[in-house]
Amino acid sequence: KAGVTQTPRYLIKTRGQQVTLSCSPISGHRSVSWYQQTPGQGLQFLFEYFSETQRNKGNFPGRFSGRQFSNSRSEMNVSTLELGDSALYLCASSLGFTSGTDTQYFGPGTRLTVL
Amino acid sequence: AQSVTQLDSQVPVFEEAPVELRCNYSSSVSVYLFWYVQYPNQGLQLLLKYLSGSTLVKGINGFEAEFNKSQTSFHLRKPSVHISDTAEYFCAVNGAGSYQLTFGKGTKLSVIP
Repeated sequence: KAGVTQTPRYLIKTRGQQVTLSCSPISGHRSVSWYQQTPGQGLQFLFEYFSETQRNKGNFPGRFSGRQFSNSRSEMNVSTLELGDSALYLCASSLGFTSGTDTQYFGPGTRLTVL
Repeated sequence: AQSVTQLDSQVPVFEEAPVELRCNYSSSVSVYLFWYVQYPNQGLQLLLKYLSGSTLVKGINGFEAEFNKSQTSFHLRKPSVHISDTAEYFCAVNGAGSYQLTFGKGTKLSVIP
């Protein structure tokens, strides 16, 4: 079974621009979560989608948004980029039906650099 | 609310020596615990998980962890490390009713030849 894929793997943007990242989950998985990883803050939860609905949201500003399509693929968007948005963005997929015990499988990440 | 503390940010160890990476958690609900490994420029790979049952959990690559409810700990151990184990290790917790993982800050394991 193919794993979680994320595109692109690397991105360079300038302040003020916007960016869209894509994630394709493992076949059969209905839940997609996004995490931001930085050296200072570590791994932080952004949001989670299940069946095209945002089910959970972390503590990030409204510039961070996402969506999920009917085939469970997900995109996240960051508008008005700031230098502090430079990070590795990780997508994880899971079956999504059982809270707590649901095991998340991670993609390789998208490395975003904001200049 | 949940939180995870990984007590050591860096752990150097000689090849073939044993290692223990420490993890403590706090939660107001039942918890489910996970260890992930991250190799340079890669995503997170699941090493093992504790959901219920036996408190000693075995994972991939010879790693194991023990869930200790009274000490709120989930330490990761390997009896003999290899150079290829050099990576960053993350402990994570999920709680009943939650679909989001809360991660510790990570422990960088460096295996010295």
